[in-house]
This record gives sequence, C-alpha cells and structure tokens, in this order.
Amino acid sequence: DAGVTQSPTHLIKTRGQQVTLRCSPKSGHDTVSWYQQALGQGPQFIFQYYEEEERQRGNFPDRFSGHQFPNYSSELNVNALLLGDSALYLCASSSPGQGNYGYTFGSGTRLTVV
Amino acid sequence: AQSVTQPDIHITVSEGASLELRCNYSYGATPYLFWYVQSPGQGLQLLLKYFSGDTLVQGIKGFEAEFKRSQSSFNLRKPSVHWSDAAEYFCAVGSSNTDKLIFGTGTRLQVFP
Repeated sequence: DAGVTQSPTHLIKTRGQQVTLRCSPKSGHDTVSWYQQALGQGPQFIFQYYEEEERQRGNFPDRFSGHQFPNYSSELNVNALLLGDSALYLCASSSPGQGNYGYTFGSGTRLTVV
Repeated sequence: AQSVTQPDIHITVSEGASLELRCNYSYGATPYLFWYVQSPGQGLQLLLKYFSGDTLVQGIKGFEAEFKRSQSSFNLRKPSVHWSDAAEYFCAVGSSNTDKLIFGTGTRLQVFP
C-alpha cells in the first residue's frame, strides 16, 4: 500500500519564479495538509485541503496557494519565490475524521531558491 | 501563544544508554501531543501520541512518553538506545479543534557505539 507520494524530490528555482509541488495522499485518505520545514526548524503548517477547498490556513502569505483535485491529490504553488522559501515541503494526508492524529507524512520536496 | 519548546538542540548518548528528550508546550485548549522522528532526507514518522487517559503512552521502536499536565511537559524516553535511533525528534501539539500541528524545533540525537 503506497503511502504519501510527493514530487519532485528536489528542485532548484530562481528568485522570482513560480513553483508547483505535487502530493498524492495515502490510499483511503481524503485530506491533505502542507507544511514548510526550513533548515534547522520544525515543520510549519501552511494550509489544509478537504473536499477540494482550503479548510485551514497558517500564517503564510498569499504567494502560497494550493489546489485539491477530485482524486484527493493536491498541489502547492508558490509565486514570486524568495530566497527564504528554500525549505523542505512536506505533505501529510489523513483519513475521514482522523484529523491531525491520523497524519501520514510524505518524504518531502526539497526546494532551493537561488 | 501556542508553542512547543524542545530545550535540547543536540543530544549525544552511547548505544545501550537510556534516553530522555524534553518537550514543553503552551496551549490554550486540551492538547493532543505527539512525538515524530525524522531520518535524514525523510519525512516524519509518528512514534506515539497522547489524547487522554493514561498519561504514560507506549509507542513504536520501544519509545514511551509521559504527559505531565502540571509541568506542561511530554518527555520522550527509551531505556536502551540503539544506533539506528540516531535521527531528529520533533514534539508537536494539536487539539480536537484543529488539524494544524505546532512543532518544536527538534532535538538531534547522535548515538555513539
């Protein structure tokens, strides 16, 4: 049974560019949350998608946006990249009603902004 | 303000020694508490979680944690560390009102043979 799949695993972007990260949730999971983990820090909650809508949002600017598709997969988009956006981006999925205590995390996408 | 503090940035122990990683939280609602482990280049794996009931919880890989409400702590323990336990450990807090988790800054565990 595949867990949470994230792609790509690594990418390098130039300041000012836009990036899209992708996440396929674990089979049976319908909710996707995104976290940003800067080097030497703990993960920080960006937002959560459920039923194709953003349900909760952390303290991130509007440059960070997302989408959830009918098959529950999700994308994280970041516009106008800044050097400070360099981080490991983690996707976590959960099953109906489990919320934060049922999270399964992916291995992340390492984004480097130069 | 809601926060999680992990006072120890880096801990080094010998293989076979006991381990305790500290976690203190500040949270308005009744907390859900978690410990996750992250190996280099990997995502987060849940070690254990506490919602209610018995304040001593058992997790995977021989880890346990004790919730102490009076001290706002949720320390992780293991009686005998193995070299494969070397990793980054994160404490996190949440609640029934939100799916958002607040993480500490992590403790890096190094194990010497």
